[in-house]
Amino acid sequence: AQRVTQPEKLLSVFKGAPVELKCNYSYSGSPELFWYVQYSRQRLQLLLRHISRESIKGFTADLNKGETSFHLKKPFAQEEDSAMYYCALSWGSQGNLIFGKGTKLSVKP
Amino acid sequence: NAGVTQTPKFRVLKTGQSMTLLCAQDMNHEYMYWYRQDPGMGLRLIHYSVGEGTTAKGEVPDGYNVSRLKKQNFLLGLESAAPSQTSVYFCASSKSLRGPGELFFGEGSRLTVL
Repeated sequence: AQRVTQPEKLLSVFKGAPVELKCNYSYSGSPELFWYVQYSRQRLQLLLRHISRESIKGFTADLNKGETSFHLKKPFAQEEDSAMYYCALSWGSQGNLIFGKGTKLSVKP
Repeated sequence: NAGVTQTPKFRVLKTGQSMTLLCAQDMNHEYMYWYRQDPGMGLRLIHYSVGEGTTAKGEVPDGYNVSRLKKQNFLLGLESAAPSQTSVYFCASSKSLRGPGELFFGEGSRLTVL
């Protein structure tokens, strides 16, 4: 069955430090992967998706099919990056989209 | 531009009562979803719909029913509420998931079952 694993429930770093939020998935075909973010008292929103190969708010994520990973990275964390981050997997053409359990990122001053 | 609107935002039920959560979107999106969010469990897909008149089961469909009679609305029903259904429920919609697909979320509905 398809699955998304985010091994860290909580990740705490200091401002200016690099940050990497891990995401591994299980799917044998061609997946579409996303990172969503939920800031305090705000709606869940899309941060980035693998097909766009873009950098949003300094975050990047590369799909590694060999390792079935889609880790989210930022070289210099900011306090405003503190939020809940969810990795999500979509497959096929039937609209399936599942999320990992999320990682809470805390950036300390 | 309202986007995705969920009603009600808060509700307290007694075990065995029934209720319906309404999700409305004004973006003419084809896909709509209901998720529940629980501490330590993340977001779990309950049911989803890829178009008007269609629904499909997600990861945790038991105890819930859904209907998509109109393209803009997706209803989530609890026929006989149980304490295990205490959760925050999120509705989302998407034009599609392929290519530039993106989910737009509602603000959430907090349900407590006593």
